[in-house]
Amino acid sequence: DVKVTQSSRYLVKRTGEKVFLECVQDMDHENMFWYRQDPGLGLRLIYFSYDVKMKEKGDIPEGYSVSREKKERFSLILESASTNQTSMYLCASMRGGSYNEQFFGPGTRLTVL
Amino acid sequence: AQSVTQLDSQVPVFEEAPVELRCNYSSSVSVYLFWYVQYPNQGLQLLLKYLSGSTLVKGINGFEAEFNKSQTSFHLRKPSVHISDTAEYFCAVSEGGGGNKLTFGTGTQLKVEL
Repeated sequence: DVKVTQSSRYLVKRTGEKVFLECVQDMDHENMFWYRQDPGLGLRLIYFSYDVKMKEKGDIPEGYSVSREKKERFSLILESASTNQTSMYLCASMRGGSYNEQFFGPGTRLTVL
Repeated sequence: AQSVTQLDSQVPVFEEAPVELRCNYSSSVSVYLFWYVQYPNQGLQLLLKYLSGSTLVKGINGFEAEFNKSQTSFHLRKPSVHISDTAEYFCAVSEGGGGNKLTFGTGTQLKVEL
């Protein structure tokens, strides 16, 4: 059974803190993605990675960075959390090639106070 | 740039009734279309996808969708819904040319009532 796991289901942080969200997949997929999900806005792509140490900006990268040191792990970093980054964060992975299915983790609900 | 419009934010329907969730897209190139479902407190999972070939695509759980190029639509249908179909449904598009990125719509909350 394919699996994408995220380190926390719920997280509460304070403004200005550095926040790490971790995502691990066990499917040997090349591609990994970070989205944020907000009511009425759907899913918006923050960053994605198509290989180890490779990354590309998505539609809303401001205020975020990512790290992919190993194929199975993709981290999202909020350098200095702000209240407008309170959201649901979803990680996904996809095997190489195009138009394949993306497999999603359960999400991390982050609250920044 | 590609975009996806889901005009209905919420669709209430009675159990065993048919349902249609609407999705329209805009793109200047060929597109590939997807429907994902998100059950409460879970991540998204793929319902069905259209890449090429027959414009009527069948997916899991009795759902199907029809690609209409002239109307730039990819509406999702089910002839008889069940309580367990209550979820949020997202339409997504990927542009041709080997892209891996998806652009999602804003989602439609389907609420099935007894």
